[in-house]
Amino acid sequence: QKEVEQDPGPLSVPEGAIVSLNCTYSNSAFQYFMWYRQYSRKGPELLMYTYSSGNKEDGRFTAQVDKSSKYISLFIRDSQPSDSATYLCAMTGRRALTFGSGTRLQVQP
Amino acid sequence: DAGVTQSPTHLIKTRGQQVTLRCSPKSGHDTVSWYQQALGQGPQFIFQYYEEEERQRGNFPDRFSGHQFPNYSSELNVNALLLGDSALYLCASSLGGSRGETQYFGPGTRLLVL
Repeated sequence: QKEVEQDPGPLSVPEGAIVSLNCTYSNSAFQYFMWYRQYSRKGPELLMYTYSSGNKEDGRFTAQVDKSSKYISLFIRDSQPSDSATYLCAMTGRRALTFGSGTRLQVQP
Repeated sequence: DAGVTQSPTHLIKTRGQQVTLRCSPKSGHDTVSWYQQALGQGPQFIFQYYEEEERQRGNFPDRFSGHQFPNYSSELNVNALLLGDSALYLCASSLGGSRGETQYFGPGTRLLVL
C-alpha cells in the first residue's frame, strides 16, 4: 500500500465548475501538506501549503487538511481552461516530500 | 529573481553509461533536493543536500550519488544506467534546516536510457 493515495483521474469538467481533488495518507508523522500543479513536460509549481489540520484559501483555491481522517483536499472555484494540468498532493513530516501519483484535470471551455 | 534552473533539459544515454545532471537553486536558498518522476507517477525523493552534505536519502541504490558546491548548486550522478532510470529528474530548492520548508521545483531534466 502506498503512503499517499490519489485518484489519477482523468477528471473532465466544464469551465466554471467547482473542482474537488483529494488525497488520503497513512503516515501519522506527516504534518506539512502541499498541492502542486504540473503542466505537461514542466516542473511542479507550488499552489498551496498548509501546516497541520485546517483550511487555507488563496484566490480561487482552498486547501483542507483533516489529520484525524488522514485526508486532504484542494477545491478550485470557477475553474478555467488554464487550470488544465496534473495536480499533485505532497506531504512531509521532516524534509523529504512524499507525493501522490497526481490527478489529471481537464477543464473544457 | 531567478528560480531553480536545471541543465541539460534533455539527455539520451545508453545502458551502462554514466550521467551528471546539474541544478542551481533559487536565489537565497541553501538546500537542494533531487526527485525522480517516472511517466504518470508522482516524484520520488532521491536525496537532499544541505551545507554540502547529504542530509537525507530516499530508497535509491548507491548508483545514485550527488554533490553540493559552496555556492549551493548541486549535481546528481547516476552510474551504470538502466532502462528503468528513464524519467524526469527534478531538483527542488528550499531554505534552511527546519522541517517542512517549502520546496520550489525546477523544470527538470528528461533522461532517456536506450
